[in-house]
Amino acid sequence: DTEVTQTPKHLVMGMTNKKSLKCEQHMGHRAMYWYKQKAKKPPELMFVYSYEKLSINESVPSRFSPECPNSSLLNLHLHALQPEDSALYLCASSRTQWERGGELFFGEGSRLTVL
Amino acid sequence: DAKTTQPPSMDCAEGRAANLPCNHSTISGNEYVYWYRQIHSQGPQYIIHGLKNNETNEMASLIITEDRKSSTLILPHATLRDTAVYYCIVRERNAGGTSYGKLTFGQGTILTVHP
Repeated sequence: DTEVTQTPKHLVMGMTNKKSLKCEQHMGHRAMYWYKQKAKKPPELMFVYSYEKLSINESVPSRFSPECPNSSLLNLHLHALQPEDSALYLCASSRTQWERGGELFFGEGSRLTVL
Repeated sequence: DAKTTQPPSMDCAEGRAANLPCNHSTISGNEYVYWYRQIHSQGPQYIIHGLKNNETNEMASLIITEDRKSSTLILPHATLRDTAVYYCIVRERNAGGTSYGKLTFGQGTILTVHP
């Protein structure tokens, strides 16, 4: 199984809503990542978890709250988002964060629209 | 971070080799060159990576110049399904050279394969 599964595939939410994006992998990877991708732009790193601990936060606003409840799951909790937060949110995993040469496996993304 | 420069777009005829160039003139000695691609509405997909020697796998070949300041990704027999954005990435390392972290995407090259 070399899949990273993201749910939901599409999400529409209002600015006062609270929602969550979920990501799951069963490859035994111990590093998981959230990237954000705006239309016609490259993916931008948001967060990195290594062994279920937050390793990198790229100065992401607090309305995005990541959580890694176990080594297979990664959540992104969303609250009080703005319309400019509408984007494709990509989850990825790798064997470890610091492994030289290790590749990242990406999910298909969750497309978020904030009204 | 070492930055990369890629042409914004390229065309290729189906069945012909696609040669995608990348300049990374500020690359450091222990930094790897990675290639990923992103087909429309999907997550990025790992293709290949290398340090200084040429590399080949079932998807592509990677040719790195001797001075490591540039590289070329070769898709030997391009198909319509190879139409995608191709990202050349230099993976940063920490000051001690013992660990590798963020995978930072640049603008990429839009490759269009024509029938």
